[in-house]
Amino acid sequence: QKEVEQDPGPLSVPEGAIVSLNCTYSNSAFQYFMWYRQYSRKGPELLMYTYSSGNKEDGRFTAQVDKSSKYISLFIRDSQPSDSATYLCATIMDTGRRALTFGSGTRLQVQP
Amino acid sequence: DAEITQSPRHKITETGRQVTLACHQTWNHNNMFWYRQDLGHGLRLIHYSYGVQDTNKGEVSDGYSVSRSNTEDLPLTLESAASSQTSVYFCASSKDGNTIYFGEGSWLTVV
Repeated sequence: QKEVEQDPGPLSVPEGAIVSLNCTYSNSAFQYFMWYRQYSRKGPELLMYTYSSGNKEDGRFTAQVDKSSKYISLFIRDSQPSDSATYLCATIMDTGRRALTFGSGTRLQVQP
Repeated sequence: DAEITQSPRHKITETGRQVTLACHQTWNHNNMFWYRQDLGHGLRLIHYSYGVQDTNKGEVSDGYSVSRSNTEDLPLTLESAASSQTSVYFCASSKDGNTIYFGEGSWLTVV
């Protein structure tokens, strides 16, 4: 079993829709949670970063972490064609190995 | 601006050859990482380093090696390239281990 599971998609939505992207993880030692966005043939770039459970909002993006169910979500409001990319969830422990563990990524297509 | 650069960006090599992918960062970050990205697997950790002379194996380290002789560079070497190592390779660096910045990737094809 992978430590972080993510539906690969593709997920296709019309412009303006609310998008929900999700991951589950298995190791309760994970404390920090991130969402990366990756455009085609580019490196991943950090979108959102949260510590432990709760919500964090940044413009049209909201990251949500529920540690009790080991569930990570990213919501995109008023989605735009420029949001079309692969979204990767990632997590890291508080101590020990300080390298990210990634989900496999969800490809999102926002249709104009 | 500080940045992280990878070279070469694209390379085709033959099975059995030794290949080195370079990674250079100008942020003075202690933490550096190498990942490979394959369809259906996402990003998988190959090797990582927390500082000069420190290297550690990740989940897919077989057939790869790294060395850290200074803060700025973490070259990744494929000792004897195999077709299974055809992939996109990403170098990354981090100051605190949480906020990690990636390079643009190196596309490697082993024929």
